[in-house]
Amino acid sequence: EDQVTQSPEALRLQEGESSSLNCSYTVSGLRGLFWYRQDPGKGPEFLFTLYSAGEEKEKERLKATLTKKESFLHITAPKPEDSATYLCAVQARDTGNQFYFGTGTSLTVIP
Amino acid sequence: SQTIHQWPATLVQPVGSPLSLECTVEGTSNPNLYWYRQAAGRGLQLLFYSVGIGQISSEVPQNLSASRPQDRQFILSSKKLLLSDSGFYLCAWSWGITFYEQYFGPGTRLTVT
Repeated sequence: EDQVTQSPEALRLQEGESSSLNCSYTVSGLRGLFWYRQDPGKGPEFLFTLYSAGEEKEKERLKATLTKKESFLHITAPKPEDSATYLCAVQARDTGNQFYFGTGTSLTVIP
Repeated sequence: SQTIHQWPATLVQPVGSPLSLECTVEGTSNPNLYWYRQAAGRGLQLLFYSVGIGQISSEVPQNLSASRPQDRQFILSSKKLLLSDSGFYLCAWSWGITFYEQYFGPGTRLTVT
């Protein structure tokens, strides 16, 4: 059973073209939802943690939001350096330390 | 600030050979430590986690084992590698078990030939 599903798998944007990435989850009793950025051949870099529906976090051109069933990572006026794979992970109340990761969205921003 | 190191960065090993990957964390004490494997097109899979020296929990039965000989050192091992062990191995640490984000190391690319 998939715990976390990310869409789209890949996204190509023109520089300055805003869009959103989706992370839907099916775990019951969410403890936290985490967003990471991963560059090719490197470890994931932590971006945001969201704990409850309605919560929002922002960092530069990125804004993460959370509902009861999904999270969105909004990218405003992206630049080529925003190109990376964005990973979503959830932690559930009944699984302790276990993080369930999605397979990511590969974002390419074209100059 | 905290820093996490992994080595080697890349490794090519024949089937049946042993494996030892090392992870160390600087700038914190008593971290929770994790080993993940990332296969192409798949999400990160938690392999082992540790909440303290000598305390190891396994999430997936497999050909691998982990040890934590020191507070900030985490080692992933295998006695005999399989082709299916190829992948990108990531070490991570966190302050606590719940409600805390995990911070990842640079990873080790393992290719079993």
